[in-house]
Amino acid sequence: AQTVTQSQPEMSVQEAETVTLSCTYDTSESNYYLFWYKQPPSRQMILVIRQEAYKQQNATENRFSVNFQKAAKSFSLKISDSQLGDTAMYFCAFREYSGAGSYQLTFGKGTKLSVIP
Amino acid sequence: DAGVIQSPRHEVTEMGQEVTLRCKPISGHDYLFWYRQTMMRGLELLIYFNNNVPIDDSGMPEDRFSAKMPNASFSTLKIQPSEPRDSAVYFCASSLIRAGSASGRHPQETQYFGPGTRLLVL
Repeated sequence: AQTVTQSQPEMSVQEAETVTLSCTYDTSESNYYLFWYKQPPSRQMILVIRQEAYKQQNATENRFSVNFQKAAKSFSLKISDSQLGDTAMYFCAFREYSGAGSYQLTFGKGTKLSVIP
Repeated sequence: DAGVIQSPRHEVTEMGQEVTLRCKPISGHDYLFWYRQTMMRGLELLIYFNNNVPIDDSGMPEDRFSAKMPNASFSTLKIQPSEPRDSAVYFCASSLIRAGSASGRHPQETQYFGPGTRLLVL
């Protein structure tokens, strides 16, 4: 079974600074998808960024980028120029590429990020 | 495009009552997922459907929980009878996984979540 580990329960960063959230996962699959979701106080789950394991290039979405290290099974999220609106819980998630229909997401426990003015 | 729609957004009920949560997935999506989020257990999958057919309900905690998807645009999650330990936020998510996304606006494999229903059972 796949597992996703986020080792940092809480983090804080000064506004306009850069912060990196860690995520490691365990799988025997070679093809899969990785995601970062953001959950602000409103509780809405918002997709931040996604990465296909077969792509070597790290995904980037504006101020958000990932450092995907497939051999190390590591998938960290970097937030540049942090803004107050980035304050939220961040969840790392894993999904198999295909297979016997197991399309569920496996989530980490989350990292609570606070952006300090 | 409207996102995933869930209702109600908040529900307070008394132990023993029946609770029905509703979800409308994104139009054209062929997978629908129900998740539950609690402080103790985090986010956990309860059940998911493909083309309205339940595929995996191994996450449904017990027989008090049931889910249906009578058509491609509507699903319900029912708890009968409800108990205080069912208090949680329940999320519905949908995804397009079949090959080829007609519009390209919804990347494949990504699950899009609704706003959630916050359930409190007293």
